[in-house]
Amino acid sequence: VQLVESGGDLIQPGGSLRLSCTASGFSVRGTYMGWVRQAPGKGLEWVSLIYSGGTTYYADSVKGRFTISRDDSQNTLFLQLNGLRAADTAIYYCATSLRPALKRHYAVDVWGQGTTVTVSS
Amino acid sequence: DIQMTQSPSSLSPSIGDRVTITCRASRNIDTYLNWYQQKPGKAPQLLIYAASSLQSGVPSRFSGSGSGTDFTLTISSLQPEDFATYYCQQSYSAPRALTFGPGTKVDIK
Repeated sequence: VQLVESGGDLIQPGGSLRLSCTASGFSVRGTYMGWVRQAPGKGLEWVSLIYSGGTTYYADSVKGRFTISRDDSQNTLFLQLNGLRAADTAIYYCATSLRPALKRHYAVDVWGQGTTVTVSS
Repeated sequence: DIQMTQSPSSLSPSIGDRVTITCRASRNIDTYLNWYQQKPGKAPQLLIYAASSLQSGVPSRFSGSGSGTDFTLTISSLQPEDFATYYCQQSYSAPRALTFGPGTKVDIK
């Protein structure tokens, strides 16, 4: 079971980026999938999640700018980041829960290694 | 929105010490509370879910308790590998919000 993120980069304010998270060992459509970010030296923040049925949720801080999606054929989760701001600078982790007891409590037992987004001119 | 606080923000115990970290929610979250450990440069690791259930593979020196608004993570005898930052997370208001606490850093004395 593994999650591998990619797509992080140095980007100018106002720019766009697409992050990818490829899963192995399980199906991304079989559980909820989400993104958690961590600004440099700061704590953790849930950014977005998508359910098996496709319903999506976003933190207020990114609503209207970020879009989460999934490609079941590629077993990959995406996060489209538009209108990037300096405050979006962070490590972005892909995250999910696989066991039913953990899913019920949104207790993340599978994390990716993270991909770094830096927003700066 | 539910706000989460943790205390202390940092502590410097010695090996073998009993360590207690507190997490408080701004309103009742039942037992929808998880605890994570994060080491520098690494993704967080789940320790405790549903306030008191030990995640598979986590040493038994870690335990969690509480319900409602007040929760505790206890390390019964601190080991060298336990120096890390610990976060609580509420999931009562999921999926609209899954709030983490600000973290407690356990430093080497």
